[in-house]
Amino acid sequence: GAVVSQHPSRVICKSGTSVKIECRSLDFQATTMFWYRQFPKKSLMLMATSNEGSKATYEQGVEKDKFLINHASLTLSTLTVTSAHPEDSSFYICSARVSGSYEQYFGPGTRLTVT
Amino acid sequence: AQKVTQAQTEISVVEKEDVTLDCVYETRDTTYYLFWYKQPPSGELVFLIRRNSFDEQNEISGRYSWNFQKSTSSFNFTITASQVVDSAVYFCALQLMDSSYKLIFGSGTRLLVRP
Repeated sequence: GAVVSQHPSRVICKSGTSVKIECRSLDFQATTMFWYRQFPKKSLMLMATSNEGSKATYEQGVEKDKFLINHASLTLSTLTVTSAHPEDSSFYICSARVSGSYEQYFGPGTRLTVT
Repeated sequence: AQKVTQAQTEISVVEKEDVTLDCVYETRDTTYYLFWYKQPPSGELVFLIRRNSFDEQNEISGRYSWNFQKSTSSFNFTITASQVVDSAVYFCALQLMDSSYKLIFGSGTRLLVRP
């Protein structure tokens, strides 16, 4: 149990286009989902916390208009990187918190390359 | 301020050696969780252990053991008789028990186990 999927696992897009990454909790309800970004050989940096049915809370320094987060249901959150540029290339990982619990489960990550 | 420090950036050992990965954390909270995760080259985070701030008992799981010392704010991880498959990046993380349930990650330690 407690499986979190991400789609796509890898995406290459051209500079200026937008790309959407999905995070799904497959067998549990997740009131809260978290989005992290990881640069090569670096740690995971929390970008934002999304709560189902409400606006995401962004960490300091994260552009909310650039990284649009939607958490429309208890099993799905999406991260849209708008007008992507090469510096947005990174590994994006989501995690989902089990409703009523502290437990978080991580997705397998999405590698974004912007050319 | 909440912070996790993993001072060892990279460690290289020969197979069958024991290795200890250090983790020091900072928090003013009295209730928190500490975690260790493994990140193999595939990128997916693998959960290893969770420790409650009130539970200072050391834990052993096969070749893995953890030493939690609240007095020194450390939560060190030891791999006994290391194997090549242990090569990965290991992250220590602190989870706040406020309403955010955020995870704060250390910078990670890259472990290379040579045959």
